[in-house]
Amino acid sequence: SQQGEEDPQALSIQEGENATMNCSYKTSINNLQWYRQNSGRGLVHLILIRSNEREKHSGRLRVTLDTSKKSSSLLITASRAADTASYFCATDALTHTGNQFYFGTGTSLTVIP
Amino acid sequence: ETGVTQTPRHLVMGMTNKKSLKCEQHLGHNAMYWYKQSAKKPLELMFVYNFKEQTENNSVPSRFSPECPNSSHLFLHLHTLQPEDSALYLCASQPGQGSYEQYFGPGTRLTVT
Repeated sequence: SQQGEEDPQALSIQEGENATMNCSYKTSINNLQWYRQNSGRGLVHLILIRSNEREKHSGRLRVTLDTSKKSSSLLITASRAADTASYFCATDALTHTGNQFYFGTGTSLTVIP
Repeated sequence: ETGVTQTPRHLVMGMTNKKSLKCEQHLGHNAMYWYKQSAKKPLELMFVYNFKEQTENNSVPSRFSPECPNSSHLFLHLHTLQPEDSALYLCASQPGQGSYEQYFGPGTRLTVT
């Protein structure tokens, strides 16, 4: 399937440390997005990186994309307790009816104060 | 707040009940989605509507019946569900072609007894 797969499944770090999550996918994409989900809530869009981009920044977030390896990474710098959440990558596939998005199982991040 | 609301937030129903989930957005978005999120599984796309027309049905059992009366409202009608249908049901909207960010509602936590 086209699903993105995040790695690791769970990550626990101390406040102030950096957190890195990875995403791998299987087929060609137009873009890749990262979302965040607090426990029992909906997903919130964080950042989108297009297939012709290699790196993108947004505040404390840094996303890289390597289309040759079909992988992406999300780096959260200077983590805070409020960053505790699950993080998902979403890859898109163009179907005959439009773009569809495929999410992975997510990385559960715990930031310890 | 993403601008997408879902009601109810929690629902417990028996296998013989009929209930409906509601999703509403006044963001002017043209596409709306239903997803199912089960523990330790990827987010599963169920239905997609573009301009009120259903464009995707990802082999969802007929006990789930979507309805999109206008571009701002999306319903998921439920009947004779199974315990394995217990999950978090998420609604999302998307502006339309050329804009890939999805806006998610907080979800409905469904428990089938």
